[in-house]
Amino acid sequence: QVQLQESGPGLVKPSETLSLICTVSGASISGHYWGWIRQSPGKGLEWIGYVYHNGGTNYNPSLMSRVTMSLDTSKNQFSLKLNSLTAADTAVYFCARVYCSGTNCRTYFDYWGQGTLVTVSS
Amino acid sequence: SYDLTQPPSVSVSPGQTANIPCSGDKLGDKYASWYQQKAGQSPVLVIYEDNRRPSGIPERFSGSNSGNTATLTISGTQVMDEGDYYCQAWDSDTYVFGTGTKVTVL
Repeated sequence: QVQLQESGPGLVKPSETLSLICTVSGASISGHYWGWIRQSPGKGLEWIGYVYHNGGTNYNPSLMSRVTMSLDTSKNQFSLKLNSLTAADTAVYFCARVYCSGTNCRTYFDYWGQGTLVTVSS
Repeated sequence: SYDLTQPPSVSVSPGQTANIPCSGDKLGDKYASWYQQKAGQSPVLVIYEDNRRPSGIPERFSGSNSGNTATLTISGTQVMDEGDYYCQAWDSDTYVFGTGTKVTVL
């Protein structure tokens, strides 16, 4: 059974950088796409981006200038960094998987973490 | 950017059928997926590639996609089906979510 677990600080100050880690169990991180999605309080889901199994990335154009994602294959983890934070970045952040078979990747997220609430406030 | 629009809410009586539409430009040319999110929980995939159900998802969940509209249908709706539902598509190498629909069973 594939499981994902987000970890990171629950409170970050404005203008600082958010750093989150997603730890994967039950699947190797060396395959598939690994994505981040966020949900502002009472709002809908927003795709942030994903990191490829080979370390390449693809980001939501609306957040591209502030986002960095990476993999740590030795720990079976991937990470999200979001800089220049404002109150509008307050949200629950989810990590999730897109299944790939070789270079053929699906168009949906099949496994999700439980999410972690990040509040941006001084 | 590509947008997917859903009605904010749908109400259905127990045992009846709920239809949740999702509209987007030429959505029928793409694959649509659907997620169920209950309060305080992470989303769960209930339909992928327009009409396929993941293992463990009840048969009462079905999907269709044609033209500009994808539809999630819940047949014989149960109280446990209450929650928020999001459609999602893949467009130009990006993952797009719909605006979400709150389903109330009463």
